[in-house]
Amino acid sequence: NAGVMQNPRHLVRRRGQEARLRCSPMKGHSHVYWYRQLPEEGLKFMVYLQKENIIDESGMPKERFSAEFPKEGPSILRIQQVVRGDSAAYFCASSPPGTGLSYNEQFFGPGTRLTVL
Amino acid sequence: AQRVTQPEKLLSVFKGAPVELKCNYSYSGSPELFWYVQYSRQRLQLLLRHISRESIKGFTADLNKGETSFHLKKPFAQEEDSAMYYCALRGPDGSSNTGKLIFGQGTTLQVKP
Repeated sequence: NAGVMQNPRHLVRRRGQEARLRCSPMKGHSHVYWYRQLPEEGLKFMVYLQKENIIDESGMPKERFSAEFPKEGPSILRIQQVVRGDSAAYFCASSPPGTGLSYNEQFFGPGTRLTVL
Repeated sequence: AQRVTQPEKLLSVFKGAPVELKCNYSYSGSPELFWYVQYSRQRLQLLLRHISRESIKGFTADLNKGETSFHLKKPFAQEEDSAMYYCALRGPDGSSNTGKLIFGQGTTLQVKP
């Protein structure tokens, strides 16, 4: 099992462009979490998805940010019209389905470092 | 509000010295507490969780509900312990329980030879 894959590892965009970050969960994992780490800060939760469903997007900025996890293919975090403040490391984590109210360990990807010029 | 605080940005010790990385949390309920570690050029990985009550790589952490703390300890630091350490909390948020993690700001542990 190759682990959680994220690409690209580094992404440079100019202000106003779109950024697309991809996350392929581990085999058998149907839960995906996205976290953002701004410089000098800890990771902050953005969104939690299961296949074809957004379960919790309470950490997502209200505008320009969207996420999806289609039936086939990776999860995608999309940032439209990027601004300098979007420069950060974006981490994806996946976990297998939990049982009842319990949740399993989250396995993290290597992150995508977004730089907005 | 749910919050995790790691008061030290950097902790520098000599090899063989005891280590304690501090973590305090704010949460009304019974959270799960974790320590994650990120070694240089590696991805974030789970070090230990309080419900396991185990020792990993010589590290232990005890959940103190009275002091709302979950400090990470090791009696004798090794150079290979140098890394970034994050304390994290997970628990129901209001009426929802989505498994999301709330992280502290992280502490860089530097073990000098």
